Amino acid sequence: KNQVEQSPQSLIILEGKNCTLQCNYTVSPFSNLRWYKQDTGRGPVSLTIMTFSENTKSNGRYTATLDADTKQSSLHITASQLSDSASYICVFLLNTGFQKLVFGTGTRLLVSP
Amino acid sequence: GAGVSQSPSNKVTEKGKDVELRCDPISGHTALYWYRQSLGQGLEFLIYFQGNSAPDKSGLPSDRFSAERTGGSVSTLTIQRTQQEDSAVYLCASSLAGSSLAGTNEQFFGPGTRLTVL
Repeated sequence: KNQVEQSPQSLIILEGKNCTLQCNYTVSPFSNLRWYKQDTGRGPVSLTIMTFSENTKSNGRYTATLDADTKQSSLHITASQLSDSASYICVFLLNTGFQKLVFGTGTRLLVSP
Repeated sequence: GAGVSQSPSNKVTEKGKDVELRCDPISGHTALYWYRQSLGQGLEFLIYFQGNSAPDKSGLPSDRFSAERTGGSVSTLTIQRTQQEDSAVYLCASSLAGSSLAGTNEQFFGPGTRLTVL
């Protein structure tokens, strides 16, 4: 069964600090992995996308990594800002006939001033 | 439009009533998806439309749930005889094409409809 677990469930950090969010998965086969940011009351927005053969992908202060051996992905946020407060979700695109996504449960991040 | 829109943004209903949730996808997007996000749970796939047809409706939790799409654009998700466990945020997404072979065809999400069944 395809499963995606994220940790921690929630996290509070001080503005300016770095943090790393984890995603453990048992999804196979998949085409790509995305990390999404979901602000409260909004739909998820894609931050990074990696194919199964990539190890790392950066988008500004966001860097995602993928380790196919340990079946882990991480999202590292550098120099956090108050606007980073949101839920972060790792999402896998399955190798099906259409874009079937498998979602993690998310990590709720609060950046405190 | 600029993005995916959904209406209403919030809906409170009594147990046993029917509700209709609406999704307006991005213009030109042929694929449309409905998801449910329950409190403390990850997003759960409900149904996928390619054009007006639904090749995969395997995620619909019961026969009380149905969805249709007309004109290759607007979609309506209908929940009949609502139950308290139907309370959740219902998200709609659209993408330019539905095939996973396109790889990078990103799904763009609407803001969701928060449904509360009393």
